[in-house]
Amino acid sequence: DSGVTQTPKHLITATGQRVTLRCSPRSGDLSVYWYQQSLDQGLQFLIQYYNGEERAKGNILERFSAQQFPDLHSELNLSSLELGDSALYFCASSARDWQETQYFGPGTRLLVL
Amino acid sequence: GESVGLHLPTLSVQEGDNSIINCAYSNSASDYFIWYKQESGKGPQFIIDIRSNMDKRQGQRVTVLLNKTVKHLSLQIAATQPGDSAVYFCAEMTLDGNEKLTFGTGTRLTIIP
Repeated sequence: DSGVTQTPKHLITATGQRVTLRCSPRSGDLSVYWYQQSLDQGLQFLIQYYNGEERAKGNILERFSAQQFPDLHSELNLSSLELGDSALYFCASSARDWQETQYFGPGTRLLVL
Repeated sequence: GESVGLHLPTLSVQEGDNSIINCAYSNSASDYFIWYKQESGKGPQFIIDIRSNMDKRQGQRVTVLLNKTVKHLSLQIAATQPGDSAVYFCAEMTLDGNEKLTFGTGTRLTIIP
């Protein structure tokens, strides 16, 4: 158990819909990272938040957004969903920044029908 | 890291033998490298890391070797156990203020009892 929790574990929705994925980092960790893992694109970094502020951006689509709240939990919002958004979405946390070990949560499996 | 495909490279090793997993990374400017292990149904788990000013680093039963000349990274696992069966990813990153992890394709390691 990494100490990172993600909800929900599974999510099934339809194209065009919007969903919110939630992540609680390990106690004391200030950075939260979101990743997408799909069969055709592999594991890709989406976005990082540090202590409530966006710190780094990766291959995140404009239809996707994230935020980190004062209690340091984070939410990833996916809108106008397409079939190709079906993937595993992982959240990871680290104490401060990139050079520190990232601990991954169990992931949310999203299926868009 | 290389772009991903549907079919992961696979490696089968007899229990108790040593295994070597290889990774060709793409960015000659990468400063920091990490190996992750992902078991079925779980998020990636940090194994070991190495900075570009080193060519070897050892952990418990694992060794990472870095050859910057040919942009090659390897993970050696000694005395493999059934619990080592998983997909192993290398990841690379630059430490230039624009940090983000780029993951490799992954290799599926199967330990044969």
